[in-house]
Amino acid sequence: AQSVTQPDIHITVSEGASLELRCNYSYGATPYLFWYVQSPGQGLQLLLKYFSGDTLVQGIKGFEAEFKRSQSSFNLRKPSVHWSDAAEYFCAVGLIKAAGNKLTFGGGTRVLVKP
Amino acid sequence: NAGVMQNPRHLVRRRGQEARLRCSPMKGHSHVYWYRQLPEEGLKFMVYLQKENIIDESGMPKERFSAEFPKEGPSILRIQQVVRGDSAAYFCASSPPTGQPTDTQYFGPGTRLTVL
Repeated sequence: AQSVTQPDIHITVSEGASLELRCNYSYGATPYLFWYVQSPGQGLQLLLKYFSGDTLVQGIKGFEAEFKRSQSSFNLRKPSVHWSDAAEYFCAVGLIKAAGNKLTFGGGTRVLVKP
Repeated sequence: NAGVMQNPRHLVRRRGQEARLRCSPMKGHSHVYWYRQLPEEGLKFMVYLQKENIIDESGMPKERFSAEFPKEGPSILRIQQVVRGDSAAYFCASSPPTGQPTDTQYFGPGTRLTVL
């Protein structure tokens, strides 16, 4: 069965500094990969997704992610963090051959932004 | 262009009562997913439905939980005889009618269920 690991439960970063969130997946083939952001008390918003092609994916709000097959990773990055980026971030995997797209989520990384 | 709607946003039930959670997908979407988020955890898939059909219920607890998506009206997640362990946030997501694994899922704001 597929699984997703986000090793960092909490990350604190200063406003203006760079941010990298780690995501590792376990799956027998290349999965579909997603990053979602959840603000407190809110639903999830899609930041970006990877299906195939260029392994560097650009998303909304200045985020990007890089798929590395050899490391089974899909890390999320942002060059300069804004206070509004404080939220919880979830990496998710979808199966290629599944009916629809049942997503498996990681445990999440909570990002705190210091002034 | 309304997004995915869920109601109620907050629901309080006593042990043994029934909880009904509603989800109206985005306009034009006919696929609905339900996920549960326990405190301090990620989301866990529960069930995937199309209009009038349950496609995948592999994440649903075997007892007390049921889901439907009728031809008309919202999708309903029903929890009978709730217990404290059912306290969680329940999220609904919808996707376009193509049913492809590449379809983006759009999430609603969630229903936060508290069982006293």
